[in-house]
Amino acid sequence: GENVEQHPSTLSVQEGDSAVIKCTYSDSASNYFPWYKQELGKRPQLIIDIRSNVGEKKDQRIAVTLNKTAKHFSLHITETQPEDSAVYFCAASRRGTDKLIFGTGTRLQVFP
Amino acid sequence: NAGVTQTPKFQVLKTGQSMTLQCAQDMNHNSMYWYRQDPGMGLRLIYYSASEGTTDKGEVPNGYNVSRLNKREFSLRLESAAPSQTSVYFCASRRGGSKNIQYFGAGTRLSVL
Repeated sequence: GENVEQHPSTLSVQEGDSAVIKCTYSDSASNYFPWYKQELGKRPQLIIDIRSNVGEKKDQRIAVTLNKTAKHFSLHITETQPEDSAVYFCAASRRGTDKLIFGTGTRLQVFP
Repeated sequence: NAGVTQTPKFQVLKTGQSMTLQCAQDMNHNSMYWYRQDPGMGLRLIYYSASEGTTDKGEVPNGYNVSRLNKREFSLRLESAAPSQTSVYFCASRRGGSKNIQYFGAGTRLSVL
């Protein structure tokens, strides 16, 4: 069945450094790839997304890249700040379906 | 505009008890979802409803039932709670269009003793 693998499960960085989280999906028909951020005790919220017809998308300090051939997509956070500390989830969705398949999450800790 | 509202926020049950988790959205979304979140497991889909009057199983439906009462409301029922159902439950809804953007409620933290 459909599957999304996410690595690493935990990531610790110094404030100001970059962080990269990687995901791999199994369904080659997937065409939409969102990233959600969940702060401690809060609900997941969408922070950025990318469609399969685009290779990269940026929004200020965050960016997402997609390699359709390898079925990989990644989240890049530059100049990390303590408020970036959270759990990040990648997900994949196939055209014509209502389901999102989530990765298992990455706990990012940014140390001052 | 409250978005997605879940009740209750916290609940403790004894094994074998039943309860219903309530979810309502005021964004006129067609699709609604129930997920459970366990440490290291991410968000796993229990059931979803693509439109009023329809429901479908997700990845982990056993032990749960759902009702799409109307376009706004989607409830999740545990008929006979088990300790394995201790989890945080999130309801979500999706606006239409080609992007599957989901909006989550604040969650219900359930403990089954």
